[in-house]
Amino acid sequence: DAGITQSPRHKVTETGTPVTLRCHQTENHRYMYWYRQDPGHGLRLIHYSYGVKDTDKGEVSDGYSVSRSKTEDFLLTLESATSSQTSVYFCAISESKGSGLAASTDTQYFGPGTRLTVL
Amino acid sequence: GDSVTQMEGPVTLSEEAFLTINCTYTATGYPSLFWYVQYPGEGLQLLLKATKADDKGSNKGFEATYRKETTSFHLEKGSVQVSDSAVYFCALSDNNAGNMLTFGGGTRLMVKP
Repeated sequence: DAGITQSPRHKVTETGTPVTLRCHQTENHRYMYWYRQDPGHGLRLIHYSYGVKDTDKGEVSDGYSVSRSKTEDFLLTLESATSSQTSVYFCAISESKGSGLAASTDTQYFGPGTRLTVL
Repeated sequence: GDSVTQMEGPVTLSEEAFLTINCTYTATGYPSLFWYVQYPGEGLQLLLKATKADDKGSNKGFEATYRKETTSFHLEKGSVQVSDSAVYFCALSDNNAGNMLTFGGGTRLMVKP
């Protein structure tokens, strides 16, 4: 199993409070991702990172920010949590093979998830 | 943009039955295709993948063939077990620089003894 941990695993918070979720990897992979999983929607990408201090938005980035100050950690922050952000959050990592025209997609490996409830 | 459509569940089968979970996709270019499985209370695990047309991915008795002409990647298993009960996700990557995946909505499989 890829070395990916998420913390906390469960959290209950109140509307309007800030929340930070942490993803930690021991694989030294370049790419890290945050997804949310909701019934009927599969997984939707929130933000991703392609290196230290390099991040970009995904499909559902509104209300979320991220930071990556070192290779192994990727933080997801909800500045002011809302009930619509109640979800299960998954972190994933991957590494590219090759570069330029020879670059190819590599598999994403997922963490165990964080269940967040916003009351 | 890219999209993945898979059959809605739940799919309920008896042990040793044949399984098919349909998956079709829309993408530009030549995406890589994946099936992930999620067991209760766990994260997603890669089940199999295929990176070019006519490739067959296989693992643990599951198979899927990348069909470019029908833009499909249907998951099959000849004889399911109770332990196969899980949620199955079809996904694609259009080989973009960020390795980003687009997921289908997931199909829950329930296998009864």
